Amino acid sequence: GDSVTQMEGPVTLSEEAFLTINCTYTATGYPSLFWYVQYPGEGLQLLLKATKADDKGSNKGFEATYRKETTSFHLEKGSVQVSDSAVYFCAFIRDGGSQGNLIFGKGTKLSVKP
Amino acid sequence: GAGVSQTPSNKVTEKGKYVELRCDPISGHTALYWYRQSLGQGPEFLIYFQGTGAADDSGLPNDRFFAVRPEGSVSTLKIQRTERGDSAVYLCASSSGQLGFNEQFFGPGTRLTVL
Repeated sequence: GDSVTQMEGPVTLSEEAFLTINCTYTATGYPSLFWYVQYPGEGLQLLLKATKADDKGSNKGFEATYRKETTSFHLEKGSVQVSDSAVYFCAFIRDGGSQGNLIFGKGTKLSVKP
Repeated sequence: GAGVSQTPSNKVTEKGKYVELRCDPISGHTALYWYRQSLGQGPEFLIYFQGTGAADDSGLPNDRFFAVRPEGSVSTLKIQRTERGDSAVYLCASSSGQLGFNEQFFGPGTRLTVL
């Protein structure tokens, strides 16, 4: 069935390190892809999105590229900050699926040390 | 402006009891969503409303779960005969409901514990 697989955490990095969180999906057609972030004590927030193959989503220094050939949407940031410490969720909406039906991965907890 | 709010923030109940969880969406948002997040898992879709009607309820796990949105604003998720496996954080989100992609804005969640 449709699903998202993302790298398990926790991930611990030093400030200014390079970040990659891997995400692959299983779905037919061309789903819309998302990264959500949950900062400590806050609700889930949309970080970035890509709705078609080869699109690159970007926000707050984070980037992810929709790779149809590898069914991947890896999250990257060149230089992380302590304030990036949060749980990151990869998600998608099925091609032709209802607006509300986001399918999430299990989340990856990132801790950035000063 | 105010975001999505959910009440209560925490609910502890006993197995077999009935519970209601409330969601107040962002004012003017016509679409509303419920998700459930178990420990160590990502959110799992339950139901999606467009206005007063359920546009997609394919995620409701069984007939003990029911949700309403009678006036197209506030929504209540109702769980009958609660079981220990229902323990989770229940998330609500809302969006503008317009055609095309609508960002979902999430509330802080209600943590339900069934003893």
